[in-house]
Amino acid sequence: QVQLVESGGGVVQPGRSLRLSCGASGFRFSSFGMHWVRQAPGKGLEWVAAIRYDGSDKDYADSVKGRFTISRDNAKDTLFLEMNSLRAEDTAMYYCARDFFGKSGYCDYWGQGTLVTVSS
Amino acid sequence: IQLTQSPSSLSASVGDRVTITCRASQGISSYLAWYQQKPGKAPKLLIYAASTLQDGVPSTFSGSGSGTDFTLTISSLQPEDFATYYCQQLNSYPLTFGGGTKVEIK
Repeated sequence: QVQLVESGGGVVQPGRSLRLSCGASGFRFSSFGMHWVRQAPGKGLEWVAAIRYDGSDKDYADSVKGRFTISRDNAKDTLFLEMNSLRAEDTAMYYCARDFFGKSGYCDYWGQGTLVTVSS
Repeated sequence: IQLTQSPSSLSASVGDRVTITCRASQGISSYLAWYQQKPGKAPKLLIYAASTLQDGVPSTFSGSGSGTDFTLTISSLQPEDFATYYCQQLNSYPLTFGGGTKVEIK
């Protein structure tokens, strides 16, 4: 069965960096686009970043552009989110999700999330 | 592209018909999805392409609309349907979500 497992969250000081990982299993990871979506405590969903199945095309939300980088290692079935210059407003649960139709944005499987807290 | 959902919350009883609307700030054709989220859980895809039911989703859920105005309808609310619902536009990047509609028990 399809599984996505995020890791790498934690408490980090403002201005510092963090790298999230999302391990995939149960499907051909190299054939699917992937996304990161976040949710601040008690708030709604915010799309963060997307990457094509082969890593050749990436998109970012304006709020993270220039600070976050999405990448993937298809040999290791793993998705990453490198987060630099972190701010308090980046505090959120971060979900990775599989795009079932290219990089359309239609996400049919989601991980359980990893919590990032930016605080001094 | 901004998405405005209404209402932001509603109270309903089991068996009620519930309608949630989502309005886009510009035309998005049928590039719209609906998700359900329960507390402490990841979102679940209900409907894509505005009206196509995702596999395994009960037929009590339906979606309609195109252009700027969309609706999610639950024809007969079940106990497991109490949750928060989000629309998402996929017409163009950056992708955006609506603010959510919380469906509570009356």
